[in-house]
Amino acid sequence: DGGITQSPKYLFRKEGQNVTLSCEQNLNHDAMYWYRQDPGQGLRLIYYSQIVNDFQKGDIAEGYSVSREKKESFPLTVTSAQKNPTAFYLCASSIGTGGGYTFGSGTRLTVV
Amino acid sequence: AQSVTQLGSHVSVSEGALVLLRCNYSSSVPPYLFWYVQYPNQGLQLLLKYTTGATLVKGINGFEAEFKKSETSFHLTKPSAHMSDAAEYFCAVSEDTGFQKLVFGTGTRLLVSP
Repeated sequence: DGGITQSPKYLFRKEGQNVTLSCEQNLNHDAMYWYRQDPGQGLRLIYYSQIVNDFQKGDIAEGYSVSREKKESFPLTVTSAQKNPTAFYLCASSIGTGGGYTFGSGTRLTVV
Repeated sequence: AQSVTQLGSHVSVSEGALVLLRCNYSSSVPPYLFWYVQYPNQGLQLLLKYTTGATLVKGINGFEAEFKKSETSFHLTKPSAHMSDAAEYFCAVSEDTGFQKLVFGTGTRLLVSP
């Protein structure tokens, strides 16, 4: 079955470390997105990509980086510059127009 | 710019009662509208969507929503709540112009009591 796979489900980061969250889709969708979810704040867009080798900053891109070398993959790196990285991270994909998004099951990142 | 307002961060109903979750949007062009459901520690699942055509949209699990342009609303309803409906619900809007980028509301947590 087609879908989006996020890994790992839980991730712990020490202060000053960079960590990378994986997102893979087999839906043949062109567009992919990363959202951050905090209690009471809904979903906030970090980065999105409309096509391979191209991506744009969302509303809260500071302290994050992405790459889109393959259509199927859109990894997110949380850098040490992100001062408050503890959150639930959601990856999504879409065909780009209409239709809505398909979401992965999320990665919960905790700073220890 | 688009925006979504969900009235009520928490809504409580009894099992068997009507569920009504409110969503108002702002958009300068014809919108696409969506409702998603999220269970704890999971991703979001699409309940239903409005793009064009019939303004009353039926979705999964017995939910439906009505697009009212004059009221800029897209409220979600279900005639009879089940315990399994307890979850967080998100309304989202995107504009009918080329590339789609959804804007989400802050969510409404539905609590269902026996």
